[in-house]
Amino acid sequence: GNSVTQMEGPVTLSEEAFLTINCTYTATGYPSLFWYVQYPGEGLQLLLKATKADDKGSNKGFEATYRKETTSFHLEKGSVQVSDSAVYFCALRDDKIIFGKGTRLHILP
Amino acid sequence: ETGVTQTPRHLVMGMTNKKSLKCEQHLGHNAMYWYKQSAKKPLELMFVYNFKEQTENNSVPSRFSPECPNSSHLFLHLHTLQPEDSALYLCASSRERSSYNEQFFGPGTRLTVL
Repeated sequence: GNSVTQMEGPVTLSEEAFLTINCTYTATGYPSLFWYVQYPGEGLQLLLKATKADDKGSNKGFEATYRKETTSFHLEKGSVQVSDSAVYFCALRDDKIIFGKGTRLHILP
Repeated sequence: ETGVTQTPRHLVMGMTNKKSLKCEQHLGHNAMYWYKQSAKKPLELMFVYNFKEQTENNSVPSRFSPECPNSSHLFLHLHTLQPEDSALYLCASSRERSSYNEQFFGPGTRLTVL
């Protein structure tokens, strides 16, 4: 069946550092891929999405490219801020939506 | 009021209690979802409603009973829960049940079963 694997956290970085959170997936069809973010005390918010191979989703300085050949959708940001501290979830949606376990990100000032 | 709201935000209940979680969306969406978020586990989709009809039940125990009286409201009725049911319960909505539609989440109800 379909599944999503993302890197274990927590990830701790200093402000202005480069961020990569890895996400790989297995799917039998052609899923859409998503990154959601959950700030403390809140529900999940869609951060970005890509619906087909080679699409790049981007939002708030974050980017992720749908790589079918490596079945990956890694999240990147060139310069993180303290306000980016949150839990990040990779997800795929084919017939059903499946989330990864989440990666907690701490940004130190 | 806009977005997806959930009440209560926190709930503590005993194993013999009966309680209900409420979700309301003001986005004009037609699909609504219940998720369970437990520590160190992937987010689990529990139920899906599309145009008030239940379209998915992902092997959820019968002690959880959903109700969708209209496209704007979704309830989760709880009875004889177990301590392992303690979790954050998230409600979400989307324009309709489609793989391309963004889901909008509420803030969740933090449930503790004693």
